[in-house]
Amino acid sequence: GAGVSQSPSNKVTEKGKDVELRCDPISGHTALYWYRQSLGQGLEFLIYFQGNSAPDKSGLPSDRFSAERTGGSVSTLTIQRTQQEDSAVYLCASSHGQGAGDTQYFGPGTRLTVL
Amino acid sequence: AQSVSQHNHHVILSEAASLELGCNYSYGGTVNLFWYVQYPGQHLQLLLKYFSGDPLVKGIKGFEAEFIKSKFSFNLRKPSVQWSDTAEYFCAVTSYAGNNRKLIWGLGTSLAVNP
Repeated sequence: GAGVSQSPSNKVTEKGKDVELRCDPISGHTALYWYRQSLGQGLEFLIYFQGNSAPDKSGLPSDRFSAERTGGSVSTLTIQRTQQEDSAVYLCASSHGQGAGDTQYFGPGTRLTVL
Repeated sequence: AQSVSQHNHHVILSEAASLELGCNYSYGGTVNLFWYVQYPGQHLQLLLKYFSGDPLVKGIKGFEAEFIKSKFSFNLRKPSVQWSDTAEYFCAVTSYAGNNRKLIWGLGTSLAVNP
């Protein structure tokens, strides 16, 4: 079946602009995660959605970052007033949501460059 | 707070050499442990995971890892590497604490295998 897809694959924007990144999880997966991978850094957790529960937003670095998940499927990560330090690869993952041992399946990522 | 340490940041080996990548985590409770791999130009994908039971876990492509609870370690091993094993390797941990299902990641180890 189809894996996790993300769009766009690359996004170049100017400092101060808003950007939206999209994630389509694997069909039937109730859990969805956003991570950020910066050059030379590990993966940084941003936000986690599980079914209809309130999302875990504990990893969002500032109030410029927000995410929503509509209908329990597609998710959009929005970064307002982008800064150069926001440049990174943004990864989305989904899982069955059955527990801590779930395998997370990753999308190809969106490479964001803020000029 | 949970953390994951990968001790080797860059490893260079010749084909047929043995591989061991170190991973230590800090968390006293029940954990699930993962190794993910990212081949050049590809998505992150699961290599193997420890959920419960036998602490020696076998994964794809001849990789294995051993969970040693007393040492808080989950080292990755392969007896004989191939050029195609050139990739970035990430160790990650998740816990059963509450509804927290986010993965905590190490910084990754870059493996280059020379033919």
